[in-house]
Amino acid sequence: AQSVAQPEDQVNVAEGNPLTVKCTYSVSGNPYLFWYVQYPNRGLQFLLKYITGDNLVKGSYGFEAEFNKSQTSFHLKKPSALVSDSALYFCAVRDGGYNKLIFGAGTRLAVHP
Amino acid sequence: DVKVTQSSRYLVKRTGEKVFLECVQDMDHENMFWYRQDPGLGLRLIYFSYDVKMKEKGDIPEGYSVSREKKERFSLILESASTNQTSMYLCASSLRARGDIQYFGAGTRLSVL
Repeated sequence: AQSVAQPEDQVNVAEGNPLTVKCTYSVSGNPYLFWYVQYPNRGLQFLLKYITGDNLVKGSYGFEAEFNKSQTSFHLKKPSALVSDSALYFCAVRDGGYNKLIFGAGTRLAVHP
Repeated sequence: DVKVTQSSRYLVKRTGEKVFLECVQDMDHENMFWYRQDPGLGLRLIYFSYDVKMKEKGDIPEGYSVSREKKERFSLILESASTNQTSMYLCASSLRARGDIQYFGAGTRLSVL
């Protein structure tokens, strides 16, 4: 069965420092991987996805993610964090047909001034 | 821009009431989804629909039903609300193409007293 894990409930980063939010996956076949962000009292917003091709995927708001097949990971990164990046981040993997997704439990990112 | 609109941001209902949550998308998407979001559990799929009048159970369908009479509208029904259905409910839609992203509504926070 497909699954995705986000090992950290919360990540704390100082503004201006690089940030990483971790995600590992388990799938049969080639993975379709996604990152979404949720700001307070809002729905989820799409950040980026990996389907095939370059292992480094660039997305919205300066975020990028690195697909690592050998480590079955898809970590989200940003070179310089902003206070406004503070939010809940979800990793997801496509599960079978109809573009169904399985989501991780989420990681809360707190960026401190 | 894709717009997914959920009819209510906040709802308070009594145990045993029949509850309707409505979702409308304006981008002619084939697929629509209902999730519930609970802290520490991420998003869990309740039901999805891949066409008008077509529906499939997700991971946690017990206590819920859905209706899709028109392509743009997908309704979630709690036949007899219970306190353990207190949660955030999120609707999403996507095209049928493989790997297409899901677009989310702002969510409905339901409290069952």
